[in-house]
Amino acid sequence: EDQVTQSPEALRLQEGESSSLNCSYTVSGLRGLFWYRQDPGKGPEFLFTLYSAGEEKEKERLKATLTKKESFLHITAPKPEDSATYLCAVRPESGNTPLVFGKGTRLSVIA
Amino acid sequence: DTEVTQTPKHLVMGMTNKKSLKCEQHMGHRAMYWYKQKAKKPPELMFVYSYEKLSINESVPSRFSPECPNSSLLNLHLHALQPEDSALYLCASSLLGGTSTDTQYFGPGTRLTVL
Repeated sequence: EDQVTQSPEALRLQEGESSSLNCSYTVSGLRGLFWYRQDPGKGPEFLFTLYSAGEEKEKERLKATLTKKESFLHITAPKPEDSATYLCAVRPESGNTPLVFGKGTRLSVIA
Repeated sequence: DTEVTQTPKHLVMGMTNKKSLKCEQHMGHRAMYWYKQKAKKPPELMFVYSYEKLSINESVPSRFSPECPNSSLLNLHLHALQPEDSALYLCASSLLGGTSTDTQYFGPGTRLTVL
């Protein structure tokens, strides 16, 4: 069964304190891994798509990396406005399900 | 532009009411999705339309009825809902759908409360 596990469930950082969020997956074959940011009561906002091991993508203070078994979302010098839930999702090679989501990491950045 | 719009933003309905949620995109995407999301849970897929045809129905109760009038519009008709159906309903779209790996873009959601 395809599974996505995100850790930690919740993370509290001081402003400027860099850290990483983890997304580990077990799928029949990976066709794509997606990172989204979601603010409370709003729809997920697309951040990155990664397709193959070794791939990296950056946007402002965020950098996403991918290995054969996991992905990391690195947050450098976070600000309070980075507080949100970060969702990881994978597109398996087989099956009908377009995306398998992890449960998310709730990030709080304190000024 | 990667905008998906949803109306209404909030909806309160009784268990005997009939209402509809609407979703619209003008990005030329050919796949559209409905998700249900409960608090502190990830989105849960309900339906997928690909080229205006229903391609996935994740065993959703018949009190939820999707409709895709054209490639830009997606509706979700609601009838005789239960209080446990209260949730954030998300619409998403992607360029091709099916087995492609294109990105899904989400709308802001409709917060539904069933009394």
